[in-house]
Amino acid sequence: NAGVTQTPKFQVLKTGQSMTLQCAQDMNHEYMSWYRQDPGMGLRLIHYSVGAGITDQGEVPNGYNVSRSTTEDFPLRLLSAAPSQTSVYFCASSLAGAFFFGPGTRLLVL
Amino acid sequence: SQQGEEDPQALSIQEGENATMNCSYKTSINNLQWYRQNSGRGLVHLILIRSNEREKHSGRLRVTLDTSKKSSSLLITASRAADTASYFCATLDNFNKFYFGSGTKLNVKP
Repeated sequence: NAGVTQTPKFQVLKTGQSMTLQCAQDMNHEYMSWYRQDPGMGLRLIHYSVGAGITDQGEVPNGYNVSRSTTEDFPLRLLSAAPSQTSVYFCASSLAGAFFFGPGTRLLVL
Repeated sequence: SQQGEEDPQALSIQEGENATMNCSYKTSINNLQWYRQNSGRGLVHLILIRSNEREKHSGRLRVTLDTSKKSSSLLITASRAADTASYFCATLDNFNKFYFGSGTKLNVKP
């Protein structure tokens, strides 16, 4: 099992650009979620999904879109990048309440 | 605001001493989890305690949960320099939302 994978590892964007952060898991977990972690802070929930075709907003959803067309994939889209979205993004999947995190994507918006 | 808050924000101890970190949360939970994050790295799941459990052990880790006080504590016994990291509590609420606290930075001096 590869677990939870995220791509890219690092990305630089210009303000106004759009991009998609990829997240995939091969553990057949129904629950997947996206977080951002700003320096010196804990993780904040952006969006989550309890199964294919179902998504919901977390604490800080503005500026981000998600979709869940398959159990395995949960991409996070930045519609129009802003410097305030500079952060480290973590994807996670969960089974029976235990969470498994990907290695993170470091995003810099100039 | 974030669901979980850790206390203290920073803790510095000598190798061999015990380290205790506390977490308070605001709403009813399904479970509470503790994670470790080494500087610049991803999250490592340490232990999960369900809302109907009061205490759990895993190696040198001991976690307690008091749902009446909405609080949890993580005890690391006989600490080692390798335990130096940030420790986060995270709660899964009854609406499938997962919230992280702001973390405790633990420094174990050799």
